[in-house]
Amino acid sequence: GAGVSQSPSNKVTEKGKDVELRCDPISGHTALYWYRQSLGQGLEFLIYFQGNSAPDKSGLPSDRFSAERTGGSVSTLTIQRTQQEDSAVYLCASSFPFGYNEQFFGPGTRLTVL
Amino acid sequence: DQQVKQNSPSLSVQEGRISILNCDYTNSMFDYFLWYKKYPAEGPTFLISISSIKDKNEDGRFTVFLNKSAKHLSLHIVPSQPGDSAVYFCAAKTQGGSEKLVFGKGTKLTVNP
Repeated sequence: GAGVSQSPSNKVTEKGKDVELRCDPISGHTALYWYRQSLGQGLEFLIYFQGNSAPDKSGLPSDRFSAERTGGSVSTLTIQRTQQEDSAVYLCASSFPFGYNEQFFGPGTRLTVL
Repeated sequence: DQQVKQNSPSLSVQEGRISILNCDYTNSMFDYFLWYKKYPAEGPTFLISISSIKDKNEDGRFTVFLNKSAKHLSLHIVPSQPGDSAVYFCAAKTQGGSEKLVFGKGTKLTVNP
């Protein structure tokens, strides 16, 4: 596709359940990022991939959060044992690596934990 | 500790007038700055950027100014149009460090017809 795609667009889950969020970056973009935006807040960095490796995982809020990227393309963000404070919009972005490159964002996945 | 601050949560201007959105940062290592526009239920869209070696960058109706000594940047939109109504995020990055962007909390711009 032409842009970054994310699925699902909306996810409602019960507290304690695991969820998986998917991101398809723009073809050719080797850098991939996950951010989240909680209500009334700015975008908060979670993790950065260069190819399949993650040089910066510093934004993951707890060990319940993990992410992987396979084939240098699709990425999955997994949240285990979800809590109500995990409710947010999870945004994925991709870019060419390094240098003065803008990041292109997907539409996001709105996660609601009941 | 918020490294990128947008102190105005909202701004309202008349169509045809200038919109000025402001952003302050605290980390002197930031050397690349970007503005994104976000409509409801959509992802942020890149608008314009500036590197720290410049003090101005212009693209059509949008101009970004950087004042490194004051650690301040601003986005000017002239003339403002109703379609510009959105939330605007300022973001910053350190070249050679992590590739992550650090975002402000955003300013909601409303352009009234």
